[in-house]
Amino acid sequence: KAGVTQTPRYLIKTRGQQVTLSCSPISGHRSVSWYQQTPGQGLQFLFEYFSETQRNKGNFPGRFSGRQFSNSRSEMNVSTLELGDSALYLCASREGTGAAPLHFGNGTRLTVT
Amino acid sequence: GQQLNQSPQSMFIQEGEDVSMNCTSSSIFNTWLWYKQDPGEGPVLLIALYKAGELTSNGRLTAQFGITRKDSFLNISASIPSDVGIYFCAGPLSGSARQLTFGSGTQLTVLP
Repeated sequence: KAGVTQTPRYLIKTRGQQVTLSCSPISGHRSVSWYQQTPGQGLQFLFEYFSETQRNKGNFPGRFSGRQFSNSRSEMNVSTLELGDSALYLCASREGTGAAPLHFGNGTRLTVT
Repeated sequence: GQQLNQSPQSMFIQEGEDVSMNCTSSSIFNTWLWYKQDPGEGPVLLIALYKAGELTSNGRLTAQFGITRKDSFLNISASIPSDVGIYFCAGPLSGSARQLTFGSGTQLTVLP
């Protein structure tokens, strides 16, 4: 099976812009989660989607949003970008609705200037 | 809130040596996961532990779920250069089994 695929791998944006990141989960996985990774804060949970519904949300401002499509692919959007949004954004998928381990993609490296 | 304290923060070892790292928490965890992250890539699942006292191996890697359910250990035997990377412990957040909280990571460097 192909792994979790994230596009693009790298992005450079300026403050105030918005950005959309894309994630295709492992085939058959219906749950998609997003995490932000920074040197200072480590890996932090953003949100999780299952069956096109947001099931869980981390402690991030409303500028961070996401959605999931009927084919389980997911997108996350960050509006009004700030310098502090520079990070590696990781998407992960899992099987089913239980607490199965997450399988991560290679991430999108976002740089905000 | 729930936090995972992972140590050591970094390690420099000689090729062939054994390595040990651990994670502790003030809260009980029902699952412990160990991931490895190589530069420029996402974390890869190494070992998943689901039961207190459980000892699980994956090749040269061995992980244990502590009896108190508040800690876990990862051991790497006979280290090789490709073991270089950042190792993370993780567990599901209390009240939200599907949201993982991660340790701060152990940066492992293997010297030839």
